[in-house]
Amino acid sequence: SQELEQSPQSLIVQEGKNLTINCTSSKTLYGLYWYKQKYGEGLIFLMMLQKGGEEKSHEKITAKLDEKKQQSSLHITASQPSHAGIYLCGADPGGYQKVTFGTGTKLQVIP
Amino acid sequence: KAGVTQTPRYLIKTRGQQVTLSCSPISGHRSVSWYQQTPGQGLQFLFEYFSETQRNKGNFPGRFSGRQFSNSRSEMNVSTLELGDSALYLCASSPGGQGRLKDTQYFGPGTRLTVL
Repeated sequence: SQELEQSPQSLIVQEGKNLTINCTSSKTLYGLYWYKQKYGEGLIFLMMLQKGGEEKSHEKITAKLDEKKQQSSLHITASQPSHAGIYLCGADPGGYQKVTFGTGTKLQVIP
Repeated sequence: KAGVTQTPRYLIKTRGQQVTLSCSPISGHRSVSWYQQTPGQGLQFLFEYFSETQRNKGNFPGRFSGRQFSNSRSEMNVSTLELGDSALYLCASSPGGQGRLKDTQYFGPGTRLTVL
């Protein structure tokens, strides 16, 4: 079965700083989801990457997919307190909505 | 469009009891997936339903079951509750197309189950 490992596990940054979260897969990545979760709440969809080399941006968040490295990265520019939460990557190798999620990265942004 | 709704939001049960959780997907979505989230195991897939049929199942014991109705609403049931079943249960809906990453899953707020 596919496993996704995220690094770092937790991150504390000062407001305004840039940061990167990585998601590495144990198997070939055919595509990847990124979600954000506030503690104890549901997941908020951020973006989906479907092709190797694909890069997507939404506001100050950019995600890239490197199929060869079986890795995806999520980059936040000029972080704000509203970016705080848990970031989760997910992959669905079977195509039947059976998504495997990463271990999660907890982000704190200090004003 | 209304998002995914889950009821109840919070539930407290005792060991040995059973519980039923409900999920209403986004209008027009035919696929509903259920996940269990715990601090120790993270987010784990339980099962997925599409057009009232279970299409996929995770590695959970038979105490965990689910069903989907003709209006795509779904319920999951946990029988003979154990302390380890305390978790946040999340459901997600998607249109239900086949193939890799054709559909994005949209999650509900979750049901927090506490087993005493």
